[in-house]
Amino acid sequence: GQNIDQPTEMTATEGAIVQINCTYQTSGFNGLFWYQQHAGEAPTFLSYNVLDGLEEKGRFSSFLSRSKGYSYLLLKELQMKDSASYLCAVSDTDKLIFGTGTRLQVFP
Amino acid sequence: DVKVTQSSRYLVKRTGEKVFLECVQDMDHENMFWYRQDPGLGLRLIYFSYDVKMKEKGDIPEGYSVSREKKERFSLILESASTNQTSMYLCASSLPQGTQETQYFGPGTRLLVL
Repeated sequence: GQNIDQPTEMTATEGAIVQINCTYQTSGFNGLFWYQQHAGEAPTFLSYNVLDGLEEKGRFSSFLSRSKGYSYLLLKELQMKDSASYLCAVSDTDKLIFGTGTRLQVFP
Repeated sequence: DVKVTQSSRYLVKRTGEKVFLECVQDMDHENMFWYRQDPGLGLRLIYFSYDVKMKEKGDIPEGYSVSREKKERFSLILESASTNQTSMYLCASSLPQGTQETQYFGPGTRLLVL
């Protein structure tokens, strides 16, 4: 079956580093997306991985291991505005399958 | 910049009413999607469309229908609204499969069915 797992909630301190993990089992794989969603707002695209390895984009990095069905999103130098939900989604042939999201709270 | 708009941010309807949720995108995207988002359940795909007049069922199509008469517009229809359809509804659009088909989301419609 199709399954995407990520932690429900995480907390971290301003200025710290946090890693949000995502494991997946899907029938097809055309890439993995990370989205950020602030409360009451629409998800916005953060990153896309289709090959194994690390993709870095400013304070955010995303890693993929296809053989392990595993990805993580790394957030560095955390800011208060990073408090949001982070959604892992796998592109399976013709559609995206979303995890339930990880709610990150950043404290001063 | 991709822009996806939805007709309403908040909507209150009564059980049994017919409800139309409209979505418009301005980037000439072939693909359009309707999701609902509920606490603890994440985003669930209701219907999607790859082209005008085409539609495909997602994971939870029961109680919903869709219409895509023009490329830029994708409508979600609740034929007879029920209280269990109270939810946040999100529309998205993307380029065709085979490209990096990042989905761009609209602001969402929070629907309350009384």
